[in-house]
Amino acid sequence: DTEVTQTPKHLVMGMTNKKSLKCEQHMGHRAMYWYKQKAKKPPELMFVYSYEKLSINESVPSRFSPECPNSSLLNLHLHALQPEDSALYLCASSQLFRGREQYFGPGTRLTVT
Amino acid sequence: GNSVTQMEGPVTLSEEAFLTINCTYTATGYPSLFWYVQYPGEGLQLLLKATKADDKGSNKGFEATYRKETTSFHLEKGSVQVSDSAVYFCALSTRSYDKVIFGPGTSLSVIP
Repeated sequence: DTEVTQTPKHLVMGMTNKKSLKCEQHMGHRAMYWYKQKAKKPPELMFVYSYEKLSINESVPSRFSPECPNSSLLNLHLHALQPEDSALYLCASSQLFRGREQYFGPGTRLTVT
Repeated sequence: GNSVTQMEGPVTLSEEAFLTINCTYTATGYPSLFWYVQYPGEGLQLLLKATKADDKGSNKGFEATYRKETTSFHLEKGSVQVSDSAVYFCALSTRSYDKVIFGPGTSLSVIP
């Protein structure tokens, strides 16, 4: 099973709202990732978790707050977003060893109004 | 630094045509190389991979060979279908680096 699931599939939120994106994998992967993707562009890395600890933060604004409650779950908490944050948010996971392929979820399409 | 270059397209082909999408890379050491595909409205799917020189990755009729001498990993398919219409990303990952480096993506449209 190489499935990564993400909820919700679509999300519309105002600039004053607080919402969360959720990601789950059951492949035993110990590395999990959040990416932001604009239309027809490659994914941009936001955060990397290794063994449930944040290992990379790509200078992402604090209005994005990641959380890794356990080895299977990854959340992205959103607060006071801007319209330019509208994008497809992708979660991915991989075995911990560098050089390994990543498996992506279907993404959450976020629109900030 | 590490980087991936690929033809950006858009590429438009007729059904049953031969497909080549060029990909070249710059990396220190010996990277693993990947092709990912993204269908409209979906996330990225791993299409194929190669982890060392001269390896050939293949899946769903697509093939790519890891060419260290030319630092290339070109994607090919002998006969494309309308259902192959998608964006294709070439990517690399190295043992000394936590990130996957993606190319800019190539948009492919296959018309009947």
